[in-house]
Amino acid sequence: SQKIEQNSEALNIQEGKTATLTCNYTNYSPAYLQWYRQDPGRGPVFLLLIRENEKEKRKERLKVTFDTTLKQSLFHITASQPADSATYLCALEGADGLTFGKGTHLIIQP
Amino acid sequence: DSGVTQTPKHLITATGQRVTLRCSPRSGDLSVYWYQQSLDQGLQFLIQYYNGEERAKGNILERFSAQQFPDLHSELNLSSLELGDSALYFCASTPFEGQGVYGYTFGSGTRLTVV
Repeated sequence: SQKIEQNSEALNIQEGKTATLTCNYTNYSPAYLQWYRQDPGRGPVFLLLIRENEKEKRKERLKVTFDTTLKQSLFHITASQPADSATYLCALEGADGLTFGKGTHLIIQP
Repeated sequence: DSGVTQTPKHLITATGQRVTLRCSPRSGDLSVYWYQQSLDQGLQFLIQYYNGEERAKGNILERFSAQQFPDLHSELNLSSLELGDSALYFCASTPFEGQGVYGYTFGSGTRLTVV
């Protein structure tokens, strides 16, 4: 069956450091992979989309990589700030529409 | 404000009842998607409409139904409610039909509590 796996444990990072979140998937052949940010009680906010033929994509302090051989995407936030604290979700187009991982809760410590 | 409007924000109702959740997509978007989010299940895709027609169906229960109207707003109807239906219900929209091709714009959700 199709699975998207993100680290369910909270990730604690010191302010100013780079935070790296991992998204692994099985039984998908995605043409696109997306990352979202979700704050408590709010709707997810779209951050970045990366295509299968793109190795890396950047947007301000965010960087996403996509390795279709490893079936993995890495999401980096450089120079992290307490305001970056949130849950980050990856999403793939699958048999049941755009399917989301359960997300990784990121906490940036001042 | 994302441009996607969901009403009501909160809903408390009893088991066995029926409720209707409403979504207005971002201006110009033709596709509407409904998702359910509970603590243990994460975001679960329910159904997609594109320009008034059903396009894709996910893990939507038979007690649930949806439609998209000519003005492109959508309604999700939940009937014979059970305690386990308590969750956040999100609506999202995109400009066109293809899933995964565009980033989704989500509304702020409707929190449904069934007592």
